[in-house]
Amino acid sequence: GESVGLHLPTLSVQEGDNSIINCAYSNSASDYFIWYKQESGKGPQFIIDIRSNMDKRQGQRVTVLLNKTVKHLSLQIAATQPGDSAVYFCAETGSLAGNMLTFGGGTRLMVKP
Amino acid sequence: DTGVSQDPRHKITKRGQNVTFRCDPISEHNRLYWYRQTLGQGPEFLTYFQNEAQLEKSRLLSDRFSAERPKGSFSTLEIQRTEQGDSAMYLCASSKQGGGYGYTFGSGTRLTVV
Repeated sequence: GESVGLHLPTLSVQEGDNSIINCAYSNSASDYFIWYKQESGKGPQFIIDIRSNMDKRQGQRVTVLLNKTVKHLSLQIAATQPGDSAVYFCAETGSLAGNMLTFGGGTRLMVKP
Repeated sequence: DTGVSQDPRHKITKRGQNVTFRCDPISEHNRLYWYRQTLGQGPEFLTYFQNEAQLEKSRLLSDRFSAERPKGSFSTLEIQRTEQGDSAMYLCASSKQGGGYGYTFGSGTRLTVV
């Protein structure tokens, strides 16, 4: 079936370095993508979103890139901080999916001081 | 408003017992969602309410599961005759109609069935 998945289950980076978390999706009807951050014992927290009519969107220290040709999504975190340590999920939905989000399996980001 | 509130935070129950969880959404949000999350996995959609109407239900929501939102405000999720496979984090989220897909999630209820 259609799915959203992540390439790397764990990413370890040095504090201050940039982090890149990747996600592949297979539903060509997806037209809206969201990155969530989930800390231990908490619910997912919205980070940034992007619509399919865009290929890049920037927030504070975060950038999301969308490549529709290869159905690939990435989250870039600049100057990674210890507080960025968490599990990151991409999620997708589309006009035919109603209000249902389909989440990937998550990537754990570990920031070394 | 302190965000989406879920109660209890943790629940341990014996197999075969019934459990009920409560979710209080952000007050001005008319949409409410339930998701289930197992360890290391992303949340999976269970059901969705717009006001008091339950508009979508996942195939994951077996007949042992029932959700209500009687007055369009708080919601309850009940699991009858719990099984060990029901052990998971149950997440509630809310959003405002016309506010896009940017849900606000609660911290979840961790269910352990022993």
